[in-house]
Amino acid sequence: QVQLVQSGAEVKTPGASVKISCKASGYSFSNYHIHWVRQAPGQGLEWMGIIKTRGIKTIYAQQFQGRITMTWDTSASTVYMELSSLRSDDTAVYTCAREAPDTYFFDYWGQGTLVTVSS
Amino acid sequence: QSALTQPGSVSGSPGQSITISCTGTSGDVGSYNHVSWYQQHPDKAPKVMIYDVSIRPSGVSNRFSGSKSGNTASLTISGLQAEDEADYYCISYTNRYTYVFGTGTKVTVL
Repeated sequence: QVQLVQSGAEVKTPGASVKISCKASGYSFSNYHIHWVRQAPGQGLEWMGIIKTRGIKTIYAQQFQGRITMTWDTSASTVYMELSSLRSDDTAVYTCAREAPDTYFFDYWGQGTLVTVSS
Repeated sequence: QSALTQPGSVSGSPGQSITISCTGTSGDVGSYNHVSWYQQHPDKAPKVMIYDVSIRPSGVSNRFSGSKSGNTASLTISGLQAEDEADYYCISYTNRYTYVFGTGTKVTVL
């Protein structure tokens, strides 16, 4: 069965970086895009960006430009999302989600990773 | 990119129909039929209910339907059931090759 399994919760201090992994199984990893979405406590969903199949292209939401990096590791069937210069308002659950190319919706989601930014 | 506008909350009695609106701009909802809707129960991952404005994935109840007019997309839940109580989010593809979520709507079954 399709699974996206993410790395565990992280606690970071302001100014630090965090790198979250999203390991895929149960499908042909290289044939799907991966998106990242975050949700701050009690808040709505926020789209962060997409890394396209095989990592051929990344597109980031404007509000994260300059401090987000998504990478693709085919050998590990894993996508990574790194967010730098963390602030307290980056405290959120970060979740990866799969998209079949050119379908424009997310059919499977990871379990989410809580990142807490606190001094 | 500003979030798409949804009502904060919508409620209805069991069996009734409710509609959730999702208003964007000509740069997103108005220009693309790539609007999808997600249901999220507390502490759960979102689940796609509608994609491409009005297409229901297999396994989703036909009580859920979607439509679009101009810059506003809508999700209708007919025959409201207790299990429909959840948060609902729309999301649209945009002319910057990005996506933007709606502000979210809490649906309460009275």
